[in-house]
Amino acid sequence: KAGVTQTPRYLIKTRGQQVTLSCSPISGHRSVSWYQQTPGQGLQFLFEYFSETQRNKGNFPGRFSGRQFSNSRSEMNVSTLELGDSALYLCASSPQPAGANVLTFGAGSRLTVL
Amino acid sequence: AQRVTQPEKLLSVFKGAPVELKCNYSYSGSPELFWYVQYSRQRLQLLLRHISRESIKGFTADLNKGETSFHLKKPFAQEEDSAMYYCALYNQGGKLIFGQGTELSVKP
Repeated sequence: KAGVTQTPRYLIKTRGQQVTLSCSPISGHRSVSWYQQTPGQGLQFLFEYFSETQRNKGNFPGRFSGRQFSNSRSEMNVSTLELGDSALYLCASSPQPAGANVLTFGAGSRLTVL
Repeated sequence: AQRVTQPEKLLSVFKGAPVELKCNYSYSGSPELFWYVQYSRQRLQLLLRHISRESIKGFTADLNKGETSFHLKKPFAQEEDSAMYYCALYNQGGKLIFGQGTELSVKP
């Protein structure tokens, strides 16, 4: 059974650009959550999607957005990149809405903003 | 505010010594708590959850509602336990809130 797949694994952008990250959940999982991981702030919740609907959103500016497709794959987009957006972005999936269910994490997409 | 606090950024012990990774939470309802672990160059993964009341890799964690704690314990640490450990709280609003993490280093 394939795990959670995130692409790209590494990317470098410059300030002001935008970026799109992709996450393919485990087959049959309908919930996808996104987290930002940085040395200073740790793991911070971005948002969760279930059945193509955003269920929850963390305390991030509107530059951070996401969506989920009918096949449960999810994308997150960050517009007008800032240096502080440099981080490891983790995606996690679960069969049902996250939280009460165990999350299975992907390897992450490491974004560097120059 | 719902919060998870792991007071130690780094915990260093010798092999065979007992280990306790502290986790305190603030939450007004009935919490659901988890410990996740990230070994070097591996993905973040679930170690255990309090409702299962199980022991995984020799680790146990007991929920103490009076002290609002969910400390992770192991009587005899092994070198392969060296990793980053995160305590997490599920709030009924549907978010999994993580602590800052504790790096456990087990020395030979």
